[in-house]
Amino acid sequence: SQTIHQWPATLVQPVGSPLSLECTVEGTSNPNLYWYRQAAGRGLQLLFYSVGIGQISSEVPQNLSASRPQDRQFILSSKKLLLSDSGFYLCASATEYYGYTFGSGTRLTVV
Amino acid sequence: DAKTTQPTSMDCAEGRAANLPCNHSTISGNEYVYWYRQIHSQGPQYIIHGLKNNETNEMASLIITEDRKSSTLILPHATLRDTAVYYCIVRVAGTGNQFYFGTGTSLTVIP
Repeated sequence: SQTIHQWPATLVQPVGSPLSLECTVEGTSNPNLYWYRQAAGRGLQLLFYSVGIGQISSEVPQNLSASRPQDRQFILSSKKLLLSDSGFYLCASATEYYGYTFGSGTRLTVV
Repeated sequence: DAKTTQPTSMDCAEGRAANLPCNHSTISGNEYVYWYRQIHSQGPQYIIHGLKNNETNEMASLIITEDRKSSTLILPHATLRDTAVYYCIVRVAGTGNQFYFGTGTSLTVIP
């Protein structure tokens, strides 16, 4: 079965600072990978998905970007964080049977 | 993917069955019904999924109506640890198709 590793678990960053969140996948090869964001008390919003190395699709225009430098590595970045970037960020990998396997998430607070 | 409608919140007494409804009246023939749950500050966890037949596993049962326009997730003996947000999603099976999450049902199990 797949395992998604996400770090860090929590992060507090000042406005205007850069961001890099990393997600790695174990137990599968060539997975479809996804970044979701969840604002406080809200549902999950799909940000980016990737079907392979270097292939990124963006669901919403925003201050964030994603990259996939290796098959099982997915990175979420920002050059300058905004207050509105605060939220709970989740990485997920698609599986044939379970649909998705999610990481444990990163809670980002921009101050 | 078809849209789903769920109640915003529900309460259930500990030890009783929790029945969580979901409407998906525009579901198409090749879309599965998936259920996930998210405990506070964790990533969503897969519960169960089905196409047209009722399904049961160690966590829950899924009852899908004959016309497939609605379904019910049943937690047979709710515990306090079942307090979570439950998401009902309909989606075509396959790793290439992403999930779109709504706001789900917030289930509170009461002692």
